Amino acid sequence: AQTVTQSQPEMSVQEAETVTLSCTYDTSESNYYLFWYKQPPSRQMILVIRQEAYKQQNATENRFSVNFQKAAKSFSLKISDSQLGDTAMYFCAFMITGANSKLTFGKGITLSVRP
Amino acid sequence: KAGVTQTPRYLIKTRGQQVTLSCSPISGHRSVSWYQQTPGQGLQFLFEYFSETQRNKGNFPGRFSGRQFSNSRSEMNVSTLELGDSALYLCASSLTGTRWGNEQFFGPGTRLTVL
Repeated sequence: AQTVTQSQPEMSVQEAETVTLSCTYDTSESNYYLFWYKQPPSRQMILVIRQEAYKQQNATENRFSVNFQKAAKSFSLKISDSQLGDTAMYFCAFMITGANSKLTFGKGITLSVRP
Repeated sequence: KAGVTQTPRYLIKTRGQQVTLSCSPISGHRSVSWYQQTPGQGLQFLFEYFSETQRNKGNFPGRFSGRQFSNSRSEMNVSTLELGDSALYLCASSLTGTRWGNEQFFGPGTRLTVL
């Protein structure tokens, strides 16, 4: 079974600063995808960034980037130049491919950006 | 393109009743997945439908069921409601589903309260 662990329940960061959200996962599969989703107070879940396990290059999307360490099974999200609109719950998620594929989520981390 | 829509957005039921939730995917998407979100258990996968067939199922009792229609719209049914079924139910659509790591687009959710 796959598990996703987000050990920090809450974090706070000053506007314009950089923050890193941690995530570890456990799997015996070799082909999988990793995601970070953002869920603001409005509750609409939005994809922030996606990483294919077979790619060594870390994914980036504007101010968002990941540090993917496959051997350590670690997948952290770095948010640069934090903005007030980044305040939300962030979920790390894991998906294996194939017949039994599904998204497995971590418990999430509440990020607050202070003005 | 219109996003994923879910109806109703809020629902209040009493124990023992049954409920049906609806999800309309993004046009052209053939896969719909359902998730239950609670403060205690986080986000848990319920099931995935693709081309009117259930492709994968999570660890939920048989009271939770679903179906998908030929236009890809999906319904989820919960019979004999229990207090613990109170949750935010999210549906997500994708082009071909989770098997190939496709991005899942989430709807705003249906907030179900069981009294």
